[in-house]
Amino acid sequence: KAGVTQTPRYLIKTRGQQVTLSCSPISGHRSVSWYQQTPGQGLQFLFEYFSETQRNKGNFPGRFSGRQFSNSRSEMNVSTLELGDSALYLCASSVLLGNEQYFGPGTRLTVT
Amino acid sequence: DQQVKQNSPSLSVQEGRISILNCDYTNSMFDYFLWYKKYPAEGPTFLISISSIKDKNEDGRFTVFLNKSAKHLSLHIVPSQPGDSAVYFCAASDNNAGNMLTFGGGTRLMVKP
Repeated sequence: KAGVTQTPRYLIKTRGQQVTLSCSPISGHRSVSWYQQTPGQGLQFLFEYFSETQRNKGNFPGRFSGRQFSNSRSEMNVSTLELGDSALYLCASSVLLGNEQYFGPGTRLTVT
Repeated sequence: DQQVKQNSPSLSVQEGRISILNCDYTNSMFDYFLWYKKYPAEGPTFLISISSIKDKNEDGRFTVFLNKSAKHLSLHIVPSQPGDSAVYFCAASDNNAGNMLTFGGGTRLMVKP
């Protein structure tokens, strides 16, 4: 079975721009979660989707948003980028709620 | 407020010996715990998990112990191998709150040949 895939793997954007990141979960997995990893804050939960519905949202500003499609693929969007948004963005999928989550390789976003 | 803490930022162990990584949590609602291994520029790799109804779970060289009264869990790796060198994260979730994982800060394990 193919693992979680994320595109693009690397991205460089300028302050004020917006960005969309994509995640394809493992086949059959219906839950997709997004996390941000930075050296200062570690791994932090962004949001979680299950059956196209956002179930949880972490403590991030409204500039961070996401969605899930009927095939379970998910996208996250960050608008009005700030330097502090530079991070590794990780997507994880699981079969159902309450199961172990499997992570993709991440998208490294650099904001200049 | 850090709800999940890994107090040792690094650990060095000789090949063949036991590695013990520790994790403490404060939220009594957490009922599912996981350990992940991470290499630089890669996503975390799931290692092992444990539900709060158990106090031990084994998978090959990896064993996780949970002490609910102390709000403490540990990961034992026996025997340690150089390929185990990586950053290890513990994570916790409240299954009533979906799949949201709260991570510790990580422990860098170095296994010396």
